[in-house]
Amino acid sequence: RKEVEQDPGPFNVPEGATVAFNCTYSNSASQSFFWYRQDCRKEPKLLMSVYSSGNEDGRFTAQLNRASQYISLLIRDSKLSDSATYLCVPTQGGSEKLVFGKGTKLTVNP
Amino acid sequence: EAGVAQSPRYKIIEKRQSVAFWCNPISGHATLYWYQQILGQGPKLLIQFQNNGVVDDSQLPKDRFSAERLKGVDSTLKIQPAKLEDSAVYLCASSHWTGGYEQYFGPGTRLTVT
Repeated sequence: RKEVEQDPGPFNVPEGATVAFNCTYSNSASQSFFWYRQDCRKEPKLLMSVYSSGNEDGRFTAQLNRASQYISLLIRDSKLSDSATYLCVPTQGGSEKLVFGKGTKLTVNP
Repeated sequence: EAGVAQSPRYKIIEKRQSVAFWCNPISGHATLYWYQQILGQGPKLLIQFQNNGVVDDSQLPKDRFSAERLKGVDSTLKIQPAKLEDSAVYLCASSHWTGGYEQYFGPGTRLTVT
């Protein structure tokens, strides 16, 4: 089983749509979780951390289910500028080493 | 605040040649990382430094890759000799301290081995 599994997409949605990405991780000892965003031919940038209680940052909501080893990201009211690849990133169990998924590509269309 | 600087931005070499990449982290960041990102994949950690000491180099192909951070600031990553499968983007990142702090990435060096 891969350490981090994400649906690669691409997801093509119209502006204003709500879109959700899912991710599963294999290491039950992972302690910290993040979503990174990577624009085409650019470097990854931290979008948000993911907390056990779930957390929201504007139009973005992240959820963590430790029992199922599952992380989600919900984007509401999609904007053209949300077009990017979204990387699911748990830490490796027993360390703070980041383990990146392959990413899910999102294209928001006008 | 200046971001992570990397050079060169692009490099094309033939297989079996050598290449070196340079990284200057954000001022005051003790931890520096080198990642390799192959097209269609997420970044993979090659090596992590804490000041000038190596914390993790378990995924660094040590027969051909080497890295150093002699004064605890700038770092260089070298490949010698390069193989076709080394074609990738090499990303440098830094963080204030290890342990869950946000990592800031540089723009990367895009390496093509022909």
